[in-house]
Amino acid sequence: DIQMTQSPSSVSASVGDRVTITCRASQGISSWLAWYQQKPGKAPNLLIYAASSLQSGVPSRFSGSGSGTDFTLTISSLQPEDLATYYCQQANSFLTLTFGGGTKVEIK
Amino acid sequence: EVQLVETGGGLIQPGGSLRLACVVSGFTVSSNYMSWVRQAPGKGLEWVSVIYSGGSTYYADSVKGRFTISRDNSKNTVYLQMNSLRAEDTAVYYCARATLGGMVLFDYWGQGTLVTVSS
Repeated sequence: DIQMTQSPSSVSASVGDRVTITCRASQGISSWLAWYQQKPGKAPNLLIYAASSLQSGVPSRFSGSGSGTDFTLTISSLQPEDLATYYCQQANSFLTLTFGGGTKVEIK
Repeated sequence: EVQLVETGGGLIQPGGSLRLACVVSGFTVSSNYMSWVRQAPGKGLEWVSVIYSGGSTYYADSVKGRFTISRDNSKNTVYLQMNSLRAEDTAVYYCARATLGGMVLFDYWGQGTLVTVSS
């Protein structure tokens, strides 16, 4: 199984700060990586797919990069509504699908 | 407008059974990959099962042989029959539409239904 490791597990930043979350795969996954945002008490929401493609309707302050084993999600200017837990997910098939452990983003 | 509404969660004793339903509006379940993803309290996300548009079904190893995914096209509804429930099945269960264009993505989600397995 491919393991997905996210870091940090939590981050606290001020409004307007740049926030970077990393996700590392235990083996190469090309660019088959997605990022989801889960606000407290809500379902996850797709932000980024294929490592760097922005899902329709997602603010442009969110961006993704990486390929192979190392990936990043960047929030260029943190907003209060970005308070959430962020998950990476890899899979080119359902049977190999795994999520990262999550990164909780808090506002200072 | 796309909506997925899960029902059927609740408190159930270990070894018991429960059936979850996901009523969909805004698209046709029989033309899509429909999946269940769960989240244990305070934990991360875990894929559970999928039903393909063609009817094929697949399961995570943790639920294989105990859970069954199905759909009723006339009701545009997806089900998850859960048997032999264990404490570790306690979670919020989300219904989600999946796309498979190179990689698996979940682009629409329901609000979730909580299943608690406890005596």
